[in-house]
Amino acid sequence: RKEVEQDPGPFNVPEGATVAFNCTYSNSASQSFFWYRQDCRKEPKLLMSVYSSGNEDGRFTAQLNRASQYISLLIRDSKLSDSATYLCVVTGRGNTPLVFGKGTRLSVIA
Amino acid sequence: SAVISQKPSRDICQRGTSLTIQCQVDSQVTMMFWYRQQPGQSLTLIATANQGSEATYESGFVIDKFPISRPNLTFSTLTVSNMSPEDSSIYLCSVDPRGGGNNEQFFGPGTRLTVL
Repeated sequence: RKEVEQDPGPFNVPEGATVAFNCTYSNSASQSFFWYRQDCRKEPKLLMSVYSSGNEDGRFTAQLNRASQYISLLIRDSKLSDSATYLCVVTGRGNTPLVFGKGTRLSVIA
Repeated sequence: SAVISQKPSRDICQRGTSLTIQCQVDSQVTMMFWYRQQPGQSLTLIATANQGSEATYESGFVIDKFPISRPNLTFSTLTVSNMSPEDSSIYLCSVDPRGGGNNEQFFGPGTRLTVL
C-alpha cells in the first residue's frame, strides 16, 4: 500500500461547482497533514493545514478522520483560477520529511 | 513563510557531467530539504540537510550521486553527479521556517534539469 494515495483525476468541473478530493494515508503515526497546490511548471505551495477538528479557509474546507486515516478537501464555488494539481501531504512530528501523494488534477471549465 | 531562491532555474547538460544547484533562503533555518519531481510524478525526498552535519539521505539516494553542502543556516547546494538522462527532473529545495513541531514547508521555484 502506498503511503499516501489520491485519485489522480482529472476532475473537470464547471465554474461554481463544488468538488471534493479524498486522500488516504498508511502511517497511523502521522501527526501533521496538509494540502498543497501545484500549478503547471511551478513549485508546490501550501494551501492549508488540516486539523483534527476540521478547518475552513474561505471556499476551502479540510477534514481529517484519524480513525479511517482519511483526509478530504472541499472546494465550493469553483473558480477558473482553482485549476491546478492538489497534493495531499502527511508527515510525522517535528522536522520530519513530508510524504506527498501523486496529486489530484482539477480543471475548472467556464 | 520564507523567500527561497534557486540557481540555476534550468539547465541542459551532457551525460556524464555534474551540476550543482544552489538554494538560498532569506532567513536562518535549521533544516533544508531537497526533493526531486520527475515528469508527471509527485515529489520524492532526496535528503535532509542540517547545518554542521552530514546530510541524511532517503532510501534509493546516495551521497556519491547527490552530494550536499550546508555551509550556513541560509544556504545549501545539491550536486547531481555523473548525470544520465534518468536524472532529468525538477529539483526543489524546501525549508520549515518555524522549526520543529510544525512542518509547514515552503519550496523554492525549482531547477529544471534536462540531461541529453
